[in-house]
Amino acid sequence: EVQLVDSGGGVVRPGGSLRLSCAASGFIFNNYGMSWVRQAPGKGLEWVSGINWSGGDTGYADSVKGRFTVSRDNAKNSLYLEMNSLRIEDTAFYHCARGYHNPDYWGQGTLVTVSS
Amino acid sequence: QSVLTQPPSVSAAPGQAVTISCSGSSSNIGNNYVSWYQHLPGTAPKLLIYDNNKRPSGVPDRFSGSKSGTSATLGITGLQTGDEADYYCGTWDSSLLNAVFGGGTKLTVL
Repeated sequence: EVQLVDSGGGVVRPGGSLRLSCAASGFIFNNYGMSWVRQAPGKGLEWVSGINWSGGDTGYADSVKGRFTVSRDNAKNSLYLEMNSLRIEDTAFYHCARGYHNPDYWGQGTLVTVSS
Repeated sequence: QSVLTQPPSVSAAPGQAVTISCSGSSSNIGNNYVSWYQHLPGTAPKLLIYDNNKRPSGVPDRFSGSKSGTSATLGITGLQTGDEADYYCGTWDSSLLNAVFGGGTKLTVL
């Protein structure tokens, strides 16, 4: 069974940093690209970042470019999102998802709250 | 403002059928596969349809997908109260080099 478990969310002040993690199991992790997708309160889904199977190709939404960095450790079956210079508008549930272009399986999400 | 356009809400009675539309452009729906997701806030979105019209194992055949030009449609027949959720379309945008989603449609089963 495919499982994606998101963690690392919390409350942080504007300008602060946070690192999200996603533990994957139930599939061959290094065969798949991965994505991070977020949902702000009362809003729809927004793709944040993607990474290919090797980590050699990454992409970011304009809203986070230059502030967020996606990475993966295939030996640990793990995906990461390093978030810097956080803004109030980054407050959202962050989900990792399997797939770069068209995600299929998703994690339950981890809540990031940016507040002063 | 979402790149893909969906109606904010649809509703129908139990046992009835509904369709949810998703409108985009040639850089996204027009030249890429469409997926549909069912989502209850705070939980993991669930894939209902991929590659425009394919159902993953375990998804009932009450759910169907279609695509024509730059629009896609999700159909749900035999509505059940358990189908109440938010539904999102998604695809890749070849110009933005982003995955893009619709704004979501809230389904109410009256």
